[in-house]
Amino acid sequence: DVKVTQSSRYLVKRTGEKVFLECVQDMDHENMFWYRQDPGLGLRLIYFSYDVKMKEKGDIPEGYSVSREKKERFSLILESASTNQTSMYLCASRRTRQGAGGYTFGSGTRLTVV
Amino acid sequence: GIQVEQSPPDLILQEGANSTLRCNFSDSVNNLQWFHQNPWGQLINLFYIPSGTKQNGRLSATTVATERYSLLYISSSQTTDSGVYFCAVALSSNTGKLIFGQGTTLQVKP
Repeated sequence: DVKVTQSSRYLVKRTGEKVFLECVQDMDHENMFWYRQDPGLGLRLIYFSYDVKMKEKGDIPEGYSVSREKKERFSLILESASTNQTSMYLCASRRTRQGAGGYTFGSGTRLTVV
Repeated sequence: GIQVEQSPPDLILQEGANSTLRCNFSDSVNNLQWFHQNPWGQLINLFYIPSGTKQNGRLSATTVATERYSLLYISSSQTTDSGVYFCAVALSSNTGKLIFGQGTTLQVKP
């Protein structure tokens, strides 16, 4: 089975800190995604990547950046964390070659910014 | 943009009961998945089902792409089935963005 691993399950950071959320997948998937989930707002796409060094903005990219230097790793960066970025962050990956299946999600990171 | 609507929003069952969750979508899709979000927040993939019918134990799903809906059946429900069930789709013309419904919150009582 494809495994998507997020580096932290819970994280507490201070306002203004630079925060890195790491996501690693082990099945050579081309596409990777970062979502955040908030009560009443559902899951919203922050950024995604088609392949190494490629990135595209999702629906709510403000305040975030991403890095994909290697195919298996997709990092979400909060340049200067703010309290409104307190949320559940979910990473996903997907294969796009012929016969591709669905998306696989990591276990999530609950980030609290104080 | 595409609309993904799930019903019912909330469902309470007694253990052992059967249930049907519905997902309607407003455009042609090339990906449809059902997920179960566990109490720790992880999205567990139940089915990848852009069309047709699949079964996995007590769960089964059917997608009728031409009529733009999908159904998730849960039979002989157990308390461990509790949680939020999401339907998510990706458009045929899209490069992979997954769009989620608002979810159905299921509570199974012992």
